[in-house]
Amino acid sequence: EAGVAQSPRYKIIEKRQSVAFWCNPISGHATLYWYQQILGQGPKLLIQFQNNGVVDDSQLPKDRFSAERLKGVDSTLKIQPAKLEDSAVYLCASSLGNRGADTQYFGPGTRLTVL
Amino acid sequence: AQSVTQPDIHITVSEGASLELRCNYSYGATPYLFWYVQSPGQGLQLLLKYFSGDTLVQGIKGFEAEFKRSQSSFNLRKPSVHWSDAAEYFCAVGPNQAGTALIFGKGTTLSVSS
Repeated sequence: EAGVAQSPRYKIIEKRQSVAFWCNPISGHATLYWYQQILGQGPKLLIQFQNNGVVDDSQLPKDRFSAERLKGVDSTLKIQPAKLEDSAVYLCASSLGNRGADTQYFGPGTRLTVL
Repeated sequence: AQSVTQPDIHITVSEGASLELRCNYSYGATPYLFWYVQSPGQGLQLLLKYFSGDTLVQGIKGFEAEFKRSQSSFNLRKPSVHWSDAAEYFCAVGPNQAGTALIFGKGTTLSVSS
């Protein structure tokens, strides 16, 4: 079974530029999460989708971050404009359902460096 | 507030020695608890999870964890560490208040010495 796919794996941009990350969840997984992992910290949720609807985006900095999950499959996370503090690993995860006990499967992440 | 504390930032264990990684949580109800491992350049891999039943949970790679409600703890253990266990370990609690996302601790880096 293929895992969660993410691209690109690495990205370096200047501050105030824009960037986009792509995630393809495990086939059949209805729930998709984007987490931000800053160096030395644990992952923190940015946004949760259930199919193509948003369940929780309370911690998404909406003035610069946006995300969509068209057709309830792939998802894109965008940052515009980027700030230095956005340097982090962006992890995508998916789960079969939306129960708290459902295992979340993580992709390898996209490491973003903002200069 | 929901939170997870991993008191040890970095632990070094000799190969073949036993391991215990500590995790304390703050949660308003009975939580679902998870341990994930992250190797360099890799995503998070689930080691084990607890959501009900027997408080001693067995996971992959020879790991186990014990849920202690009275201590709000979910410590991870392994009787004999292998060099390949060197990685970063994250304890997580869920679901969060708004959805089913996980709340992670800051992680513990495990080094294994020969």
